Amino acid sequence: AQSVTQLGSHVSVSEGALVLLRCNYSSSVPPYLFWYVQYPNQGLQLLLKYTTGATLVKGINGFEAEFKKSETSFHLTKPSAHMSDAAEYFCAVSVGRDDKIIFGKGTRLHILP
Amino acid sequence: GAVVSQHPSRVICKSGTSVKIECRSLDFQATTMFWYRQFPKKSLMLMATSNEGSKATYEQGVEKDKFLINHASLTLSTLTVTSAHPEDSSFYICSASGFEAFFGQGTRLTVV
Repeated sequence: AQSVTQLGSHVSVSEGALVLLRCNYSSSVPPYLFWYVQYPNQGLQLLLKYTTGATLVKGINGFEAEFKKSETSFHLTKPSAHMSDAAEYFCAVSVGRDDKIIFGKGTRLHILP
Repeated sequence: GAVVSQHPSRVICKSGTSVKIECRSLDFQATTMFWYRQFPKKSLMLMATSNEGSKATYEQGVEKDKFLINHASLTLSTLTVTSAHPEDSSFYICSASGFEAFFGQGTRLTVV
């Protein structure tokens, strides 16, 4: 079975500072990994996904994540935080097309002025 | 990109009544759809996997008779919350085609 652990339910960074949201996964087969963002009372927006190939994945809004198999990690980063990045972020894992997606508990990102 | 439409976005119903939530894939066919439930300030919990033309597969702990799922066509899955109670109040989200995982905008259900 797959699972995802997100370290830190709340993360605060200053505007302009580096954003780092941590995610570790567990999967018995090669995983597909996702990061989603959710704004209040809205659905999920896909930031980026890793399936195969290049381990550094670039997404929307300046976010990127690196798949590290040896560390079973898929941390999300952004070089410079913007106030509009304040939201809930979910790391998720799947094992293939049409397979269910399992979510981590989420990390609330706060941006300090 | 592909679009998944979920309707209604908000619904308030009286305790004891049933409410139906629709999830449509607008520009692609989805043999598989997924229903999630999100409690306030919590993560998304998978409720069930909806398969076109066959019975849904429910996750452990989800009441099949309370949360009825029908996937009658390749573009529509419905979730019916039967005999709703206040504890069923939640945010329900559907997704289609797990690989790309296109999500609907969610339905806020409030049972009064």
